Amino acid sequence: DAGVIQSPRHEVTEMGQEVTLRCKPISGHDYLFWYRQTMMRGLELLIYFNNNVPIDDSGMPEDRFSAKMPNASFSTLKIQPSEPRDSAVYFCASSLEGEAFFGQGTRLTVV
Amino acid sequence: GENVEQHPSTLSVQEGDSAVIKCTYSDSASNYFPWYKQELGKRPQLIIDIRSNVGEKKDQRIAVTLNKTAKHFSLHITETQPEDSAVYFCAASPFGANNLFFGTGTRLTVIP
Repeated sequence: DAGVIQSPRHEVTEMGQEVTLRCKPISGHDYLFWYRQTMMRGLELLIYFNNNVPIDDSGMPEDRFSAKMPNASFSTLKIQPSEPRDSAVYFCASSLEGEAFFGQGTRLTVV
Repeated sequence: GENVEQHPSTLSVQEGDSAVIKCTYSDSASNYFPWYKQELGKRPQLIIDIRSNVGEKKDQRIAVTLNKTAKHFSLHITETQPEDSAVYFCAASPFGANNLFFGTGTRLTVIP
């Protein structure tokens, strides 16, 4: 398995634009997580899914953020409209029975 | 929800010395405690984990200890090497929840 795959690796966008981050979890894993990493706040859990169903989205900062998991092999995190303070590295992770495997992350810069 | 605190935020040690990183958690229902290592520009990767039915676990130069009564757990790295330099994150997972709550990280620097 190639591991958790995220795209794009880097994204630079202008304030106000829509941004979509993509994630392909490891096949067979039943949990998928979206994290945001910044210097100030460390690793923050935004939302996680179990068997494609959102379980806890209390970490999503505001209504501008939304996440979907239409099937077991794909998830998206969307920010609309984006703001400079959304600049961060966004990690997707998947797990089965505890251990979480992280993707390479998407470095988002909103200018 | 679970709250994980991690100390210190930065740690510098001489090569060959030991390093200890400590974490506390708030939810007594947490029963899974992994440690992740994140090298610069890379993804966090699991290096060791412990479940609440054991007090200590070792893997070569790294070990983790857990004190459920006090709700704290620690990472111990012995005979540190320059390649151990990275940011280390502890995490806790409440029983049945499967999500991970992370500490804020410790930047470890091993000085050759």
